[in-house]
Amino acid sequence: EPEVTQTPSHQVTQMGQEVILRCVPISNHLYFYWYRQILGQKVEFLVSFYNNEISEKSEIFDDQFSVERPDGSNFTLKIRSTKLEDSAMYFCASIGTGSYEQYFGPGTRLTVT
Amino acid sequence: AQSVAQPEDQVNVAEGNPLTVKCTYSVSGNPYLFWYVQYPNRGLQFLLKYITGDNLVKGSYGFEAEFNKSQTSFHLKKPSALVSDSALYFCAADSGNTPLVFGKGTRLSVIA
Repeated sequence: EPEVTQTPSHQVTQMGQEVILRCVPISNHLYFYWYRQILGQKVEFLVSFYNNEISEKSEIFDDQFSVERPDGSNFTLKIRSTKLEDSAMYFCASIGTGSYEQYFGPGTRLTVT
Repeated sequence: AQSVAQPEDQVNVAEGNPLTVKCTYSVSGNPYLFWYVQYPNRGLQFLLKYITGDNLVKGSYGFEAEFNKSQTSFHLKKPSALVSDSALYFCAADSGNTPLVFGKGTRLSVIA
């Protein structure tokens, strides 16, 4: 069964550093999402991406964040200058045309020290 | 604003007993409702969805959920709980190709 994959599984970085989180959505899916889950809290929407552009973003997704689909298979989330409060589990999700359920990757745990 | 509420942080049930995990929602328009399960150190795994049609939907691993429009609820149920069902359960909602709004999650503990 096809699945969404994410790398790395765990990333530790120092405050102020840039990080790139990578996702490979299911191959025929067209809508892509990033969510985050701060430890012990609910899953929160960050951004959605369709047709090579951002279709919607939350207030969490400020100028420090960016997304890209550089090569038709990968979908990346970049945080330019990480803050302590960016420490969270980041989930990528994708959805196919005519479908309703989002398929989630296993997540990347980001720890900012 | 859309919201999903899961009133219980923790649900404990004995193995073999029925389980219910509660969820209520507030969505503009017709709601699309979902349940996801998260095992330790794993991603969110889709269990079931309600889009339209029968109010009782069946999903993976013997789980089912009942859509109740008048009570704006979508409670997750299983007739006979297994120890392996112990996990974190999330209810989520959207109104069609919009970002999912999640509840805070309910930790289910099934005791042998």
